Amino acid sequence: DTAVSQTPKYLVTQMGNDKSIKCEQNLGHDTMYWYKQDSKKFLKIMFSYNNKELIINETVPNRFSPKSPDKAHLNLHINSLELGDSAVYFCASSHSDMGRSTEAFFGQGTRLTVV
Amino acid sequence: GNSVTQMEGPVTLSEEAFLTINCTYTATGYPSLFWYVQYPGEGLQLLLKATKADDKGSNKGFEATYRKETTSFHLEKGSVQVSDSAVYFCAPSTGRRALTFGSGTRLQVQP
Repeated sequence: DTAVSQTPKYLVTQMGNDKSIKCEQNLGHDTMYWYKQDSKKFLKIMFSYNNKELIINETVPNRFSPKSPDKAHLNLHINSLELGDSAVYFCASSHSDMGRSTEAFFGQGTRLTVV
Repeated sequence: GNSVTQMEGPVTLSEEAFLTINCTYTATGYPSLFWYVQYPGEGLQLLLKATKADDKGSNKGFEATYRKETTSFHLEKGSVQVSDSAVYFCAPSTGRRALTFGSGTRLQVQP
């Protein structure tokens, strides 16, 4: 069983399009994240949701909108895609234990290429 | 906020060599510390962790000790293998904040 699964694994699209990446976790975790990894492997937090509530929203263009329909899902919608959005996007989840985050489990990543 | 500094890679070693990857961090409060590994084409996997000062995390021959006085969490392995070639990420985490990563350190082990 896959703990954190993302779809699609690869996404190639043209500038200006709108696309979504889906993420699901079956670990019973209460916190989910989206990270962006650039070509130099730098990994940066974009969003964090705890029990469906947004708790971290780093400096990310408002073209990026996360949606959490329930605790097990956190989708990422991107409007008006730009060349600079090309990256690998990782979903992750963790359990908050007495206010402290425990280890995060990561999905396999979605490689987004904007042409 | 939290931040992490790791040595720039790539680190290139011969098989069975000793490995050290330095990591220093800044964090608000009292963080938990993690090392993650990313193999080519894959997501990140937890390698080891430590939650309080002087704790030593260990897994698969890798070790790291939580040094509060020097705010460091250096990763070591006594004898690396070709299969250890990957990118290694050090990450502090405080409270409910997400793990803070950097660019990681690429390790290349040659036969």
